[in-house]
This record gives sequence, C-alpha cells and structure tokens, in this order.
Amino acid sequence: GAGVSQSPSNKVTEKGKDVELRCDPISGHTALYWYRQSLGQGLEFLIYFQGNSAPDKSGLPSDRFSAERTGGSVSTLTIQRTQQEDSAVYLCASSVSGGEYTQYFGPGTRLTVL
Amino acid sequence: DQQVKQNSPSLSVQEGRISILNCDYTNSMFDYFLWYKKYPAEGPTFLISISSIKDKNEDGRFTVFLNKSAKHLSLHIVPSQPGDSAVYFCAASFNNNNDMRFGAGTRLTVKP
Repeated sequence: GAGVSQSPSNKVTEKGKDVELRCDPISGHTALYWYRQSLGQGLEFLIYFQGNSAPDKSGLPSDRFSAERTGGSVSTLTIQRTQQEDSAVYLCASSVSGGEYTQYFGPGTRLTVL
Repeated sequence: DQQVKQNSPSLSVQEGRISILNCDYTNSMFDYFLWYKKYPAEGPTFLISISSIKDKNEDGRFTVFLNKSAKHLSLHIVPSQPGDSAVYFCAASFNNNNDMRFGAGTRLTVKP
C-alpha cells in the first residue's frame, strides 16, 4: 500500500514569502505529526494531530507556523513570512493512533529560504 | 534542551564486524525507546524499539540494550553489512506518542 507522501519534495523561496507544505498520511492512520530537521540537528517535533481532537501545537517555534488537517486526512503546514532559519527538511509522519509508537515517515520537503 | 543525545556524529565499521550505536537521555520519565534508520532523500524508517520494562530486545541482526540506571541505550548490528550504511536516530517517548524526542543521529558507514 501507499506510504506517507509529501509535496513538494523541494521548495526554494525568498525571505518574507509564505509557503505551504502538504502531507498525505497512510490511509486509516488517525495520528499525524510534523517534524523538522535542520542541518546537523535531530528531528524537532512541531505539531501533532489525533483524530478530531485539538492538535498539540507545543512544538511550533513561532506564530508564523500553523498547520491544518482537513477531514482527518491531508495536512498542510504553513509558514508565513519565511526566514532563513526556517530552512530545513520538514518531515511528516503518521501512525495508526496516538497510542501506537511506530510512526511512518514521508520522504520530507526540503525548504530553502534565500 | 536536548533530552536525547547521540554524541557520535559518525561511525565507520568494516563489513562483518559489529556496529555499536549509542544514545543517552536525560528524562527519567521516558518509557519507550526506538531506533530509526534514514537513507538520503528518504524519511526515517522504524527499526527496533524497547520498552522501559525490558533491558534487551533482539530482532535478527539488530539488538537494542537499555540501561535505565545509566539512562543509556545502544543499538548493536551484527554482522554489519554495507546496506546498513545510513543515519541512525535514537528516539524516546513517554505517556503517548506525541512526546517523542529524537537525537541528532549517527551516520554509520559499513565498508566492504
């Protein structure tokens, strides 16, 4: 079956522009996560969606970052007024439920802010 | 703060030998630990995990050891194969999945 997919695979943008990153989780997975990996760093948790519950936004680094999950499936991570320090690989993962520890990751979106 | 630490950014091992990847954590509340493997241009893939009630979990060539008193876990790969060359991330979780914290990763190179 299809795994987690993300688009675009690469995004180059100018400082100050807004960007949207998309994630299609595995069908039937109720939990969805966004992470980012900056150069030389580990995976940094950003936000977590579980079913229809309010998302856990505790990892979002600033109010320029937001995410939505429509219909319990596709998710969009939006970064407004991008800064150079936003440059990173943004990874999406899904799991069967929030209590399931194994997360399945997408290939990531490499964001470069010039 | 970095609650999960992988202090070796890279490791090089000869094919057939044992690879030992180390991970330290600071939060004693972590109760589940995982290792993920990541190839270039791909997302991380789950490799092996261990619950805090155990001190060892084995799956084929991969064994994870947990030392709770030392807040240390390690991943052993034996025998190492060139296809094992990848970045390995250690992760720890508590209460539920959304509190998972990752280390910075160790790049393993297995030489033929």
